[in-house]
Parts: sequence; C-alpha cells; structure tokens
Amino acid sequence: EPEVTQTPSHQVTQMGQEVILRCVPISNHLYFYWYRQILGQKVEFLVSFYNNEISEKSEIFDDQFSVERPDGSNFTLKIRSTKLEDSAMYFCASSHSRAIKDYGYTFGSGTRLTVV
Amino acid sequence: TQLLEQSPQFLSIQEGENLTVYCNSSSVFSSLQWYRQEPGEGPVLLVTVVTGGEVKKLKRLTFQFGDARKDSSLHITAAQPGDTGLYLCAGALYGGSQGNLIFGKGTKLSVKP
Repeated sequence: EPEVTQTPSHQVTQMGQEVILRCVPISNHLYFYWYRQILGQKVEFLVSFYNNEISEKSEIFDDQFSVERPDGSNFTLKIRSTKLEDSAMYFCASSHSRAIKDYGYTFGSGTRLTVV
Repeated sequence: TQLLEQSPQFLSIQEGENLTVYCNSSSVFSSLQWYRQEPGEGPVLLVTVVTGGEVKKLKRLTFQFGDARKDSSLHITAAQPGDTGLYLCAGALYGGSQGNLIFGKGTKLSVKP
C-alpha cells in the first residue's frame, strides 16, 4: 500500500526559531496538502499545492508559513519564527485528483511540533 | 462555527453491540468522507459518499449520506475491540473548493471485550 511519509515524527523547537517539516507524497499523486491538528481540536486545512504553486490556502496560512516542492519528490512546510500556538500535529496529504470524491486523500502519520 | 457536528463525542460499548455515529451540518456538501484515526497517527480514509441517499458497506460498517447531502451516519454492527478509535467525518462544501476538507471533531469509540 503506497504511503505518504513525514519526517521528523516529533520536532521540538524554541519559540522564534524556524522549522521545516518534510513530506514525501505518493509518487503518482498530483495534489498535495498540509493540515494541522491542535491537541484536542479538529483537523484544519492549511494549504493545497498543485503544479508547483499554491492553489488554495486558509486564513491560518499567513506569511509565517510557506510550502515548497524543491526536488520533485519532497513537499515541505516551513514555519518561520514559530510561536507557542503553532504547537500541533501537522499532517501532509496527497491525492491523485482534485476531486475528493474520486480518490480521497492519503494522509501521512504526522509531525508533532512542540514549540517551547 | 461548527460546520460539521459529530455525535456522540464519546461512546463506550461492549463487544458485540451495534452503534451509530452521526455527522450533521446545516451546509450542503458535494461529498463526505469518513476517516479513522489512531492516537499519534494520521487519518485513514474509510469511505467517500457522493450521492444524496447513498449507502455504502464496508464489512460490518455501513455509511449513509443524507438525501439533502447535509448529514451522514456510520453504523457498526457487532462491534469488536479492534474498532476502537477516533472516527472523523470530513466534507467538501458544495460550491466550494474541492481541494480542501472540513473536518468534524470526531467520535471517540471504545469497544470493551
């Protein structure tokens, strides 16, 4: 079963530092996403990415955040100047089609980010 | 605003019992998905429902999409301890982006042997 792989599984960083969360989507998938889940809260959409550019982003995804697909396989989320409230599980997902009804999403296991 | 409300929030039952969890909204969705999430893991897709009134079965799990595409239910027959987990519904808003999902807060199911 193809998987979405995320690294690291757990990242602890000091407030104000930059972090990069990494994801390797499923190889024939074309659409990539980042979601986050603050402890005890629901999963929230951050950003979707297609054809090397952002196709949609939520209000959460402000200038502090950026995404990149640097080498055709990795998909990264960069958080500049982390804040305490950025502590959450960050999930990467990928899909073959933009039409969720056709293929659905495959989620990675997540990166638990702890900002201290 | 809770676009997708799931109920109950917690459910603890004995092995062999049947259960139904609900996902309700005042908004119309073009599709709804059900996921199961284990602690420390990402959501795993169980099913996608697209057509109003649609019923899909996955072994002992039966999923239904409401006629108006505003709600969905998940029914588990003869629950087993292996069914324990967090069940999430998520949907793509009708007329909205098909590229992002709105999630409910989930139903935490515990099945005791």
